[in-house]
Amino acid sequence: GAGVSQTPSNKVTEKGKYVELRCDPISGHTALYWYRQSLGQGPEFLIYFQGTGAADDSGLPNDRFFAVRPEGSVSTLKIQRTERGDSAVYLCASSLTYRDRSNEQFFGPGTRLTVL
Amino acid sequence: QQQVKQSPQSLIVQKGGISIINCAYENTAFDYFPWYQQFPGKGPALLIAIRPDVSEKKEGRFTISFNKSAKQFSLHIMDSQPGDSATYFCAASKITSGSRLTFGEGTQLTVNP
Repeated sequence: GAGVSQTPSNKVTEKGKYVELRCDPISGHTALYWYRQSLGQGPEFLIYFQGTGAADDSGLPNDRFFAVRPEGSVSTLKIQRTERGDSAVYLCASSLTYRDRSNEQFFGPGTRLTVL
Repeated sequence: QQQVKQSPQSLIVQKGGISIINCAYENTAFDYFPWYQQFPGKGPALLIAIRPDVSEKKEGRFTISFNKSAKQFSLHIMDSQPGDSATYFCAASKITSGSRLTFGEGTQLTVNP
């Protein structure tokens, strides 16, 4: 079946602009995660959704970052007033969440965001 | 206390050799330890994972060794192949539903033919 998809694959924007990044998880996966990966670093957690609600948003760096998942499937990460330091690859992952199952997260290819 | 430290940063191995990557964690609440493989331009993909109730897990050429008392775990790649050249990340999380992954800094592995 289809994996996690993310659009766009690349996004170039100017400092101060608003951007939206989309994630389409694996069908049937109730958990959805956003991570940010800077060059040469491991992914860093941003936010996690269980269904429609954000169960853990403690990784969002500041209030310019916001994410939604209104119907419990597709999610959008929104960044306001972008800064050059926001440049990174934004990764989305999804997983099944059963109490006795491992937390295997399946990652999408990412969106490379460049803020000029 | 959420950090996962990974070494080495880069590793060069000859074809057929053994690649060893090490990780150490601080948070004793972690109870799920996966290794991810990432190729350029792709997202990380799960390679192998271990729970702390076992000291070793093997899947094909890949083995995880886990030392709970030392809070360390390692990935061994036997008979390394050029196709194994990628960046490897260790990670840790709590196995409760929906837990966030904390990743190490990554190891860039190059396997020379």
